[in-house]
Amino acid sequence: SQQGEEDPQALSIQEGENATMNCSYKTSINNLQWYRQNSGRGLVHLILIRSNEREKHSGRLRVTLDTSKKSSSLLITASRAADTASYFCATDARGSNYKLTFGKGTLLTVNP
Amino acid sequence: DGGITQSPKYLFRKEGQNVTLSCEQNLNHDAMYWYRQDPGQGLRLIYYSQIVNDFQKGDIAEGYSVSREKKESFPLTVTSAQKNPTAFYLCASSNIAGGSYNEQFFGPGTRLTVL
Repeated sequence: SQQGEEDPQALSIQEGENATMNCSYKTSINNLQWYRQNSGRGLVHLILIRSNEREKHSGRLRVTLDTSKKSSSLLITASRAADTASYFCATDARGSNYKLTFGKGTLLTVNP
Repeated sequence: DGGITQSPKYLFRKEGQNVTLSCEQNLNHDAMYWYRQDPGQGLRLIYYSQIVNDFQKGDIAEGYSVSREKKESFPLTVTSAQKNPTAFYLCASSNIAGGSYNEQFFGPGTRLTVL
């Protein structure tokens, strides 16, 4: 079952611009996580936000969580060509027994 | 170096053959997971294990089998019963003890192609 759904499916921007990706989910969560995947590689954990948090920062990343709307956003500021990758949200749903459910991802292309 | 290794990176199999994908971690994590990723898609959970000698089915377990005889190893067998096995397979692990938040660490993946 698909819990998280990212939007947009693909995003193309110029270097230096900000990139915003959104994630919607369906059930109550313990936390929501964002991962990055370069083409043909494994996923890398970026940031985790707990259900009682509203905003979190890590370097150029800013994540918000609105549990009333069951949605999250990932903002990458001052993007670089090296940020080109797919970005996935993953939810740790309450009662899920430590399973994560991943969305289909947003493919971000940053043009030099 | 600590981390998760998967082997092989590329694997080719003839129809009707079983094949086993390796996953090893030296992070001392309790939990290990297997996911399948198809082109342009997210990850779908095949099997997961939270403790040695125990594992549970994920969302798409049919045609797959696993074992967890050692904490550091969680091999996945793709059997001939799996109707569409060509995909990218990802192994992950996490530390679920002591109030941690289930951040998962991923291996580099194995790309399986059925000829």
